[in-house]
Amino acid sequence: GQNIDQPTEMTATEGAIVQINCTYQTSGFNGLFWYQQHAGEAPTFLSYNVLDGLEEKGRFSSFLSRSKGYSYLLLKELQMKDSASYLCAVSQPGKGSYIPTFGRGTSLIVHP
Amino acid sequence: EAQVTQNPRYLITVTGKKLTVTCSQNMNHEYMSWYRQDPGLGLRQIYYSMNVEVTDKGDVPEGYKVSRKEKRNFPLILESPSPNQTSLYFCASSLSRQSEQYFGPGTRLTVT
Repeated sequence: GQNIDQPTEMTATEGAIVQINCTYQTSGFNGLFWYQQHAGEAPTFLSYNVLDGLEEKGRFSSFLSRSKGYSYLLLKELQMKDSASYLCAVSQPGKGSYIPTFGRGTSLIVHP
Repeated sequence: EAQVTQNPRYLITVTGKKLTVTCSQNMNHEYMSWYRQDPGLGLRQIYYSMNVEVTDKGDVPEGYKVSRKEKRNFPLILESPSPNQTSLYFCASSLSRQSEQYFGPGTRLTVT
């Protein structure tokens, strides 16, 4: 089975830094994805972590600790356009698919 | 342009009237999947396919069928739609197990 937990909603101020956490309990682990989804639109890929540590990509960074079943997405220099839902997804072996299972998403609201 | 297309984008139908939502990708991806997204529940996988003629159930397959006769197409079939299948549906494709998924624009289905 699998259990992926994220906070439901977060708010932050433009220009600030926000950290969105994701914890998971899965039977096996193959990698962890973060996606961004603006209201009414399709999810778009942000990052993929398979090894422990921090992956930095511009204003966005993603961290993974496999032993703790924990990841976070760090957004720096927040902009109004960063207001969106952020989806954590875990890829795990099983049924031969490895296709990721998604958490329920964290809705981030950025205030001026 | 690399993309995943879905049709129709919006559909209102009545209980019991069979319908098909088409999905097509032009990236020669092996993996394709269907998700439904409901408020508070996040993205849930319906069916997935690892290649032509290879499909398997996801987490919520009841009431749905799929086929993968060609690599680029992965239609979702609702033989007898019911109101609890009212949802936002996304098709996605990826090159491999460790690759990001590319999502279609979504199909908003209402069953009355």
